[in-house]
Parts: sequence; C-alpha cells; structure tokens
Amino acid sequence: SQQGEEDPQALSIQEGENATMNCSYKTSINNLQWYRQNSGRGLVHLILIRSNEREKHSGRLRVTLDTSKKSSSLLITASRAADTASYFCVEPRGAQKLVFGQGTRLTINP
Amino acid sequence: DVKVTQSSRYLVKRTGEKVFLECVQDMDHENMFWYRQDPGLGLRLIYFSYDVKMKEKGDIPEGYSVSREKKERFSLILESASTNQTSMYLCASSLKTFKKLNTEAFFGQGTRLTVV
Repeated sequence: SQQGEEDPQALSIQEGENATMNCSYKTSINNLQWYRQNSGRGLVHLILIRSNEREKHSGRLRVTLDTSKKSSSLLITASRAADTASYFCVEPRGAQKLVFGQGTRLTINP
Repeated sequence: DVKVTQSSRYLVKRTGEKVFLECVQDMDHENMFWYRQDPGLGLRLIYFSYDVKMKEKGDIPEGYSVSREKKERFSLILESASTNQTSMYLCASSLKTFKKLNTEAFFGQGTRLTVV
C-alpha cells in the first residue's frame, strides 16, 4: 500500500540553525504523528497533531498540518548535535494501523 | 518506564531455518506490530495484532507468520528463512484506538537478522 512521503530525504545543517522537514500523506486522517529514530534511543514518538489542529508545539518542535493539501511539516529550532536522527511522519490507516514514510535523515554539523 | 523488549539485538540464521523473533511489552497494550526496516524502503508493516489470538496482515506478510497467545507477547515467525529476509525487525505496541483517535506507538530496540 502507499505511504506518506517525507521531503527532503536528507538534510544537513549547522548546529544552531533551524531544520524543516515536510510530509505528504495519502488519506483523510484523524491525526498525524511524527517519530524520531537514532542509534541511541531507537524509534520514539515525538508529537501527534489532530486533524482539527493547524499547529502544535512541543519544546523546540513545531508541527503544522494542512489537511486541504494533505501535508505536514516539522520544524526543529536551534538544532543540536543530539537532533541528528531520521524523522518519520506516520499516517494512521484504519483504526489501528500506523504507516510510516521513508523518513528524512537529518545531520547536525558542529 | 514503559518498555517493549525484543529478545535479541542480533541474530544470524541459515537459509531454510525456522526463526522466531519474540517481543514483550509491559504496558497492557491491545495493539502490537511487527515492522521490517530496510535502507531506502523505510518501515514496512508485516503483521499486527489488536487482541489476543487476533491478527491482520500488513503490507508484506509473505514468508512470515505471527502468534499472539498472551496479551503481552507477540512473536514473528519466519517459516523458512531466506536471504531476502535479512533486515532490521522492529516490534511496537500501542493502546487500542477509540473513535479513530490513534495513540502513539512504543518501539523495541530492534533485532538485526542476518540470513546466510
């Protein structure tokens, strides 16, 4: 089955800069989730935004959602070396399934 | 601290062997999932279970089966391992969704399986 797509596939920035990743999804959703994966902590949930929300914040993370365009973005402000990871947007399919995109590989350079 | 535990971090098996990957969660979650992760392909869902003894095929179930005899344990079985099943396998769990309000999933650390 098809899954959402993150853009860009890879992103490299300097520490302290902001990083923006985009996601397009396929279906009519009730919520969209973002996850991070690094070698240290594995795959962890970052934030969930519901379809009736347009923007949500969590610490240095800001997520936006545009249901008319079926797109979402994740902004990380004031990036740190520890933010180096792959970031996935996750589109629920049906009541229980979560479908992952291929992810954006973010590298923070010192 | 909530936990999803996969029995092995690394496994090496021979072609044709029957392989069992075990996953245990301590959060009393109804849903459990098995994914495989490959470079360039992201995470792909193999099977998931929404209750004891209940299972549904994901996107790539061929060559795999699952077992869920107890709520906390979800096993992935490779009936006859093949080299194209060399991959990272990730187990996850989540609360059952109500009113289409999905909840976050918690992941294990993964099992890197090599089939030789």
